[in-house]
Amino acid sequence: QKEVEQNSGPLSVPEGAIASLNCTYSDRVSQSFFWYRQYSGKSPELIMSIYSNGDKEDGRFTAQLNKASQYVSLLIRDSQPSDSATYLCAVKVGDYKLSFGAGTTVTVRA
Amino acid sequence: DGGITQSPKYLFRKEGQNVTLSCEQNLNHDAMYWYRQDPGQGLRLIYYSQIVNDFQKGDIAEGYSVSREKKESFPLTVTSAQKNPTAFYLCASGGQRNQPQHFGDGTRLSIL
Repeated sequence: QKEVEQNSGPLSVPEGAIASLNCTYSDRVSQSFFWYRQYSGKSPELIMSIYSNGDKEDGRFTAQLNKASQYVSLLIRDSQPSDSATYLCAVKVGDYKLSFGAGTTVTVRA
Repeated sequence: DGGITQSPKYLFRKEGQNVTLSCEQNLNHDAMYWYRQDPGQGLRLIYYSQIVNDFQKGDIAEGYSVSREKKESFPLTVTSAQKNPTAFYLCASGGQRNQPQHFGDGTRLSIL
């Protein structure tokens, strides 16, 4: 079993809709979770961090964490064409290492 | 301006050649990392360093070497033993305790 798994995508949503991205992880003791956005040909940029169960909102982005189910998700509300990118879920393993999912590619249709 | 600088942006390697990728950060981070990304895949950890003069192998260290002589610098050498070096190489720093890692712009390595 992979340490971090994401829904494979690609995910296509119309402009203005909600994009929902899912991620599951295998290490029960993980405490830190991150979502990165990666545009084609570019490096990943951090868009959300979440550490506690529940929801965390930042602008149009909402991260949701359920440690009991080992599940973290990202919602993008009012999706814009500029949100078209690959979204990487990352889970901290130990004190320093991050384990990444393979990413979900989102395309927002104008 | 604080950040992580990787150079060069593009690099070509000949057969049997070692090449070195540069990574410099001025964020005062103790920890630095090297990742490899292949098309359509996530990031895989090559090496990481928690502190100067110390580093640990990641998941795919074979064919690579690193040094950490200064806090600001963490160069990666892709040796001739790495038979499939074509990839996007990303350097990151940070990540201590609950803090996220931040990435440089990357180096794209290809074989001539």
